[in-house]
Amino acid sequence: GAVVSQHPSRVICKSGTSVKIECRSLDFQATTMFWYRQFPKQSLMLMATSNEGSKATYEQGVEKDKFLINHASLTLSTLTVTSAHPEDSSFYICSANLLQGAPEKLFFGSGTQLSVL
Amino acid sequence: GENVEQHPSTLSVQEGDSAVIKCTYSDSASNYFPWYKQELGKRPQLIIDIRSNVGEKKDQRIAVTLNKTAKHFSLHITETQPEDSAVYFCAAIGGSARQLTFGSGTQLTVLP
Repeated sequence: GAVVSQHPSRVICKSGTSVKIECRSLDFQATTMFWYRQFPKQSLMLMATSNEGSKATYEQGVEKDKFLINHASLTLSTLTVTSAHPEDSSFYICSANLLQGAPEKLFFGSGTQLSVL
Repeated sequence: GENVEQHPSTLSVQEGDSAVIKCTYSDSASNYFPWYKQELGKRPQLIIDIRSNVGEKKDQRIAVTLNKTAKHFSLHITETQPEDSAVYFCAAIGGSARQLTFGSGTQLTVLP
């Protein structure tokens, strides 16, 4: 089946530094990718929709200057957590649609556990 | 927009018993309802889904039922096994929505 690769799987950083997370669709092209945040024992909260070649669409309450999203190609979207603070510590996960407009073809990356000291 | 509620938040069953997780949705235009299983620190995996033109779908020990009138759908796991222990999420999408709306999740524990 389709594969979405996400790196790194785990990152520990100091407060104030920036962290970049990559999400790649390995064997298909994805014009749209989604970024989620998940706190322990909680649901997936959509942060933003990443659109290839255009600006990302952020959900209400998500700071676009803090969570920078770049979707420069049909197979790669990146999420950069800028000036990270301990409250940004969370599990971040991306997803991509194998087929535009087909939600049943949604595949998730393996997630990134971010710990900010 | 869509609002999906999921119950219960935690569920413990004895191995071999059945488990049922229920979700309700608000948008009558929603027409696709997947269920995901997520193990700790791992990605969600699609385990079963149903579209609004059917009322029930079964895949071995897993089944999903949908009541469009009442706007609720349920996951049924029979003959549970310890490896079924995980967090299960329901979701819904339809109409003009471009992304899934997830339920709050259910931590299922199957006791040996």
